[in-house]
Amino acid sequence: DGGITQSPKYLFRKEGQNVTLSCEQNLNHDAMYWYRQDPGQGLRLIYYSQIVNDFQKGDIAEGYSVSREKKESFPLTVTSAQKNPTAFYLCASTIGHKDYGYTFGSGTRLTVV
Amino acid sequence: GIQVEQSPPDLILQEGANSTLRCNFSDSVNNLQWFHQNPWGQLINLFYIPSGTKQNGRLSATTVATERYSLLYISSSQTTDSGVYFCAVSFYNQGGKLIFGQGTELSVKP
Repeated sequence: DGGITQSPKYLFRKEGQNVTLSCEQNLNHDAMYWYRQDPGQGLRLIYYSQIVNDFQKGDIAEGYSVSREKKESFPLTVTSAQKNPTAFYLCASTIGHKDYGYTFGSGTRLTVV
Repeated sequence: GIQVEQSPPDLILQEGANSTLRCNFSDSVNNLQWFHQNPWGQLINLFYIPSGTKQNGRLSATTVATERYSLLYISSSQTTDSGVYFCAVSFYNQGGKLIFGQGTELSVKP
């Protein structure tokens, strides 16, 4: 079945560490997105990519980095510069044209210890 | 930037009851979608509805784009309907990125 796989499900980070969250899709979607969700809040956009080797900052990109070397993969690195990284991270993809039917992964819950 | 406001923020229902969730947006949009987030965090796309009315089983949605609001109707609610319902809007010229409301948290009691 086609879908989006995020790993790991739970991740613990020590202060000052960088961590990378994985997002892989086999839907042949062009566009991929990373959102952050804090408790009781809606989702906020971190980064997005509409095509391989290209990506744009979202509303809260500071302290995060991404790459898009393959169409199927859009990993997110949470750097030590992100001062409040504890959150639920969701990856999504769409076909990339005006239809924009979104598919979300099951999320990664990151906690700073 | 555009504001997306959802109401009510919380809702408690008895199983079998009907409900209406509302989403107001402050500017014209190209697309509007409704999502359900289950208690485990998974987001499921319910409706892609920039205008008009759609139905899917016990759920239906109506968007009146000229008046900048959308409604999600849940009929004969079930405990599995519990979770958070999000409305999100997007624009063609902004790469399809979604702008989310704060959500309505629904709890259906048996």
